[in-house]
Amino acid sequence: GAGVSQSPRYKVAKRGQDVALRCDPISGHVSLFWYQQALGQGPEFLTYFQNEAQLDKSGLPSDRFFAERPEGSVSTLKIQRTQQEDSAVYLCASSWIRGSGEQYFGPGTRLTVT
Amino acid sequence: EDKVVQSPLSLVVHEGDTVTLNCSYEVTNFRSLLWYKQEKKAPTFLFMLTSSGIEKKSGRLSSILDKKELSSILNITATQTGDSAIYLCAVYSGGGADGLTFGKGTHLIIQP
Repeated sequence: GAGVSQSPRYKVAKRGQDVALRCDPISGHVSLFWYQQALGQGPEFLTYFQNEAQLDKSGLPSDRFFAERPEGSVSTLKIQRTQQEDSAVYLCASSWIRGSGEQYFGPGTRLTVT
Repeated sequence: EDKVVQSPLSLVVHEGDTVTLNCSYEVTNFRSLLWYKQEKKAPTFLFMLTSSGIEKKSGRLSSILDKKELSSILNITATQTGDSAIYLCAVYSGGGADGLTFGKGTHLIIQP
């Protein structure tokens, strides 16, 4: 498709389970971002890739969060030992150029930890 | 720490009204300000502003940046029910901070 796609769209996990969220960026976009959006809040930056290199992971809230983009296209955000405070929408965005700020978002994965 | 504040946080108007949404920011190295519209899906890109005083326009939506006042406004004229959404303002500061810093959004409801 033409836009950023994410899967699954909804995920329910029991506390302590590991989850993996997938992002397919727009073809040709070298930059890929992950954001976390809590209810009633704006998205908050988690991590950034340029191609396969993770250049910024300053927003990851704990070492339970891990992201990878091994071939410079699809990315996976993994959360280990999920906790209730991890419940949020996880948004992926991509951009064709670094340094402009113009990013295109996917529909998000709504994670609910019970 | 970069900060973006939007006001109002929520707004209810009638179809046909004109609305003005506000965004103010404090960033260490401003590069651009962006507006997004978020319905129950992906935030969709509206505008990116880098220069002060130059209005960007798309149909009934327009936006302008004031770097002196560290702020931006988003105007929507002749509102329609389809304009109901959360409008997000974000700033990009570059300088190694590659992510966008978002405000909490303005939840706009257009009543028929």
